[in-house]
Amino acid sequence: EAQVTQNPRYLITVTGKKLTVTCSQNMNHEYMSWYRQDPGLGLRQIYYSMNVEVTDKGDVPEGYKVSRKEKRNFPLILESPSPNQTSLYFCASGQGSQPQHFGDGTRLSIL
Amino acid sequence: GQNIDQPTEMTATEGAIVQINCTYQTSGFNGLFWYQQHAGEAPTFLSYNVLDGLEEKGRFSSFLSRSKGYSYLLLKELQMKDSASYLCAVRDPEGDSNYQLIWGAGTKLIIKP
Repeated sequence: EAQVTQNPRYLITVTGKKLTVTCSQNMNHEYMSWYRQDPGLGLRQIYYSMNVEVTDKGDVPEGYKVSRKEKRNFPLILESPSPNQTSLYFCASGQGSQPQHFGDGTRLSIL
Repeated sequence: GQNIDQPTEMTATEGAIVQINCTYQTSGFNGLFWYQQHAGEAPTFLSYNVLDGLEEKGRFSSFLSRSKGYSYLLLKELQMKDSASYLCAVRDPEGDSNYQLIWGAGTKLIIKP
């Protein structure tokens, strides 16, 4: 089954404690992207990747890092999380003119 | 600049028809997507328009006018499960990416019995 898998689905943590949200896709897609979604603001792109070892900033990259060492994985790293990064996060992947596939989301709460 | 506008919220009655509009201003255009998103869940793909006209898929239809920078999603025979947010997104091929989407903030549709 074609899917994008994110982990964890839910996380409550404290300010400054490094965390990683993993994202993996099994569709051999070249393109992957991270979004955050906050009430009233819609989906905002954090980082995206066109292929292995190629990453670019989206609209709201501050405070986040990503890596793309393998085609299937695109982890999102928060080196020193802060409360304003409390949000619902989605990973997505795509190829060609096909629609993007989304993971189930990760709800992060930073206290 | 790049901009996509949708109404923030709409209300409709079960069994009725509703039209959700989306207007866009982008540097380029290479297709428009509609996604459905239930609260707290992932967006799921509904429709894709790249040429002018109407695309019909069961109870859902989507229309595009590229000259007007306008699209709408038409939902017929509304059911309670259609209560969700509907996201409009435009593929803008500016730069080196044909994958990037510009997203509207979404329209929350409330269905009443």
